[in-house]
Parts: sequence; C-alpha cells; structure tokens
Amino acid sequence: AQSVTQLGSHVSVSEGALVLLRCNYSSSVPPYLFWYVQYPNQGLQLLLKYTSAATLVKGINDFEAEFKKSETSFHLTKPSAHMSDAAEYFCAVTLHKAAGNKLTFGGGTRVLVKP
Amino acid sequence: DAGVTQSPTHLIKTRGQQVTLRCSPKSGHDTVSWYQQALGQGPQFIFQYYEEEERQRGNFPDRFSGHQFPNYSSELNVNALWLGDSALYLCASSLGRGGYNEQFFGPGTRLTVL
Repeated sequence: AQSVTQLGSHVSVSEGALVLLRCNYSSSVPPYLFWYVQYPNQGLQLLLKYTSAATLVKGINDFEAEFKKSETSFHLTKPSAHMSDAAEYFCAVTLHKAAGNKLTFGGGTRVLVKP
Repeated sequence: DAGVTQSPTHLIKTRGQQVTLRCSPKSGHDTVSWYQQALGQGPQFIFQYYEEEERQRGNFPDRFSGHQFPNYSSELNVNALWLGDSALYLCASSLGRGGYNEQFFGPGTRLTVL
C-alpha cells in the first residue's frame, strides 16, 4: 500500500519569494510521483511527474521537484511566487509495477500569495 | 482537442435518492478513473474502468457503481445517497493503465446531498 503526507495544509508566501511545498511518500515498491494544482472550482492540472528518470524534475510555470529516495520525499519548489500561483497543490503517488494507475493523493496544501 | 468533460456541473439530491454522473475522456484515451473529493481533502480513488470492465476499486461501498461504454465514456452511479456523499466527483482519463500514464482530469461534478 502507498500513502502520501503533505506537511502544512496552508502556506503563505510573498510575491517574488520562494515557494516550498513538502511531500513525503510511503511505498513498498518504487513509486511514480506527481504534483497537481487545483484552482478554485476546477479540476486538477498536472505540474510535473517523476517516473524514475532524472531525480530533479522540471514542470510547467517554473515549478520543479526533487525525488530523494533516502528521505522518501518529493518536495515542490518555485524560485519566485506569482499571484497566479495561489491555488491548492496535491502530491500523489502510483506504484511502479502495479496493474492500474490508481493515484493516491495527499491532503493538499493551499498556497496564499501576498502582494 | 477536447479534454475530459463531465456532466452535470452541479447537482442537488436528497438523502436516499440515486444519481448518475457522466464523463467523456480525452480524445484517444481508453481508461477512465473516478475520484471523490470531499471539501478540504485530497481526492480519493473510487474505481477505474478499462475495456468496459472495472479493473481497480478503492475503499467505497457497493452503492458506488459504474460503467464504461464502447466509446470509452463512463458513468458513475451512486445509490441510497446520504449526506456524506456530498463532494466534488472528478473523472480522469489516460491512455493505458501503467503507473507512468498521466491522468487528465475533468472539471468535476459538485454533488450536494440534502
């Protein structure tokens, strides 16, 4: 079984400051890891994914995440926050060799960007 | 190229009623998954359909059932609704069922049970 923990249900950052969202996973087999963003009253949009290639993954809108197996982490960062980054962010995992790509999500982190 | 579409957008039902939600996958996709997202929580996996059969199921009671049609579209049915079923229901589609296959999400159906 797999699980995802996102530390901090709410994060407040100033415009132009670093965004850091934390994600730790638990998995009995090598995982695939994803970050999704959800804007109000919308579905989920994929920001980036780790599928066992490079451990540093670059995504859309200058987001990136680093897979650290020793720490079972997949933290999301963005060097400079923009007002449009205000949204909820979800980390998710699927299993590397399982049949089916069921996503297991963390509880989400809501990002507030202050001007 | 149309993405994943869902209908209806919003729905209000009363306890004990039944509801059907619909999903059309992204063009070319053959796999449809359904998720329930309660307010303030992450999405929870309900089940996945591939080749018109349920292939994976999450921890949801039998009141939740589904169907996939030959054109890959899908329905989610919930019987005997209760207040706790109030949530955003998300449909996601992918090409194939491998763990690396990206899932594309629709905008969701907001279900309110009174």
